[in-house]
Amino acid sequence: GAGVSQSPSNKVTEKGKDVELRCDPISGHTALYWYRQSLGQGLEFLIYFQGNSAPDKSGLPSDRFSAERTGGSVSTLTIQRTQQEDSAVYLCASSLGGTGSYEQYFGPGTRLTVT
Amino acid sequence: AQSVAQPEDQVNVAEGNPLTVKCTYSVSGNPYLFWYVQYPNRGLQFLLKYITGDNLVKGSYGFEAEFNKSQTSFHLKKPSALVSDSALYFCAVRDDTGSARQLTFGSGTQLTVLP
Repeated sequence: GAGVSQSPSNKVTEKGKDVELRCDPISGHTALYWYRQSLGQGLEFLIYFQGNSAPDKSGLPSDRFSAERTGGSVSTLTIQRTQQEDSAVYLCASSLGGTGSYEQYFGPGTRLTVT
Repeated sequence: AQSVAQPEDQVNVAEGNPLTVKCTYSVSGNPYLFWYVQYPNRGLQFLLKYITGDNLVKGSYGFEAEFNKSQTSFHLKKPSALVSDSALYFCAVRDDTGSARQLTFGSGTQLTVLP
C-alpha cells in the first residue's frame, strides 16, 4: 500500500517568510509524528498527534512552530518567520497506534533551506 | 527520561564479513527498541524491533539484533555484509513507563561496506 507522503520534497525560502509542510500518513494510522533532522545530527522530536487527543507539543523549539492535523489524517507543520537555523530535513512518521511498541513509518522528508 | 547512544560515527567492513553496529540505551522502565536505516535523500526505513520475548530479533534484509538487558545494549548485526548495506543506521528507544510516545534516536552510525 501507499506509504507516508510529504510535500514539498524541497523548499527554499527567504529568512522571515512563513512555510507550510504537509504530511499524508498511511491510511488507518492513528498516530502521527513530526521530527527534524539537521545536517550530521540525529532526529529531534517536534510534535505528536494521537487520534482526537490534544497533541504533544513538547518538542517544538519555539512558538514560531505549530502543527495541526485535520480529520485525523493529513497534518501541516507551519514555521513562521523562518530563521536560518530552521534549515533541516523535516520528517513525518505515522504508526498504527500511540502505544510505543508500534513501529513508526517515515515519509521521505521535506528539505527546508532558509536563505 | 530515555536516551540512546551510538558510540561509533562510522563503521567500515569488507563485503562478506560480519558487521556489528553498536547501540546502548537508558530508560526508567522497560525499553522498546528499534533499528532504522536511512539511504541518501530518503526517509528512514524500519528494520526491526524488540518489545519483549526472545532476546534475538530478526528483521529485514538479513539483519538481526540482540537485546542484552544487563549491558543495556541492542547491537545490530548481520552475518555477511553486502555493499548495498552501506547506509546510515539509527537506533531508537522508547520507555514503556513514560508518557512520551515519541522515539528517542541515537546520532546515527554510517556503515560503509567495502567491495
